[in-house]
Amino acid sequence: GAGVSQSPSNKVTEKGKDVELRCDPISGHTALYWYRQRLGQGLEFLIYFQGNSAPDKSGLPSDRFSAERTGESVSTLTIQRTQQEDSAVYLCASSLAGGFRTGELFFGEGSRLTVL
Amino acid sequence: SQKIEQNSEALNIQEGKTATLTCNYTNYSPAYLQWYRQDPGRGPVFLLLIRENEKEKRKERLKVTFDTTLKQSLFHITASQPADSATYLCALEGNDYKLSFGAGTTVTVRA
Repeated sequence: GAGVSQSPSNKVTEKGKDVELRCDPISGHTALYWYRQRLGQGLEFLIYFQGNSAPDKSGLPSDRFSAERTGESVSTLTIQRTQQEDSAVYLCASSLAGGFRTGELFFGEGSRLTVL
Repeated sequence: SQKIEQNSEALNIQEGKTATLTCNYTNYSPAYLQWYRQDPGRGPVFLLLIRENEKEKRKERLKVTFDTTLKQSLFHITASQPADSATYLCALEGNDYKLSFGAGTTVTVRA
């Protein structure tokens, strides 16, 4: 597809279960971000991948959160032992980074996670 | 610490009027600043990018200014329409090349 694709669009899980969220960036985009957006709030940075560089994981809220990216392709965000405070929309964005600078971001529609 | 602050209050305006949104930042030295629009239940969509050496940028009914001395950007929607109702986010890149967003300002345009 032409845009950033995220799946699942909605996920309801029980507290304590693990979840995996997937992001397919735009082909050729070297930069990939994950953000979290709680209801009525702004975007909270989670993790940033840029090409083959080590990812910037400084925004991950706890060691229950991890993310991987296969080359410059698909990324997976995994949340282990989910808690109710993990309920949010998880947004993925990709960018055709020019030089060392990130250009405009193209966002997916997000994965809405509800932890019961 | 680095901060990006946008109008905390929602903006309600009459159709045809100009909406002005503010983005103030602290402890950033951005080469550029971006504005995005977010509709309910959707991902943000890029609107405009303004560089540090540009004072003003326009796109259709949108106008953005960037004052690096005041550390502020203003975002104007002129001749506003109900379809402009959305949340508008400003975004800055820090020295770590990570793009951070303000909390957003929600604009409602009344017909």
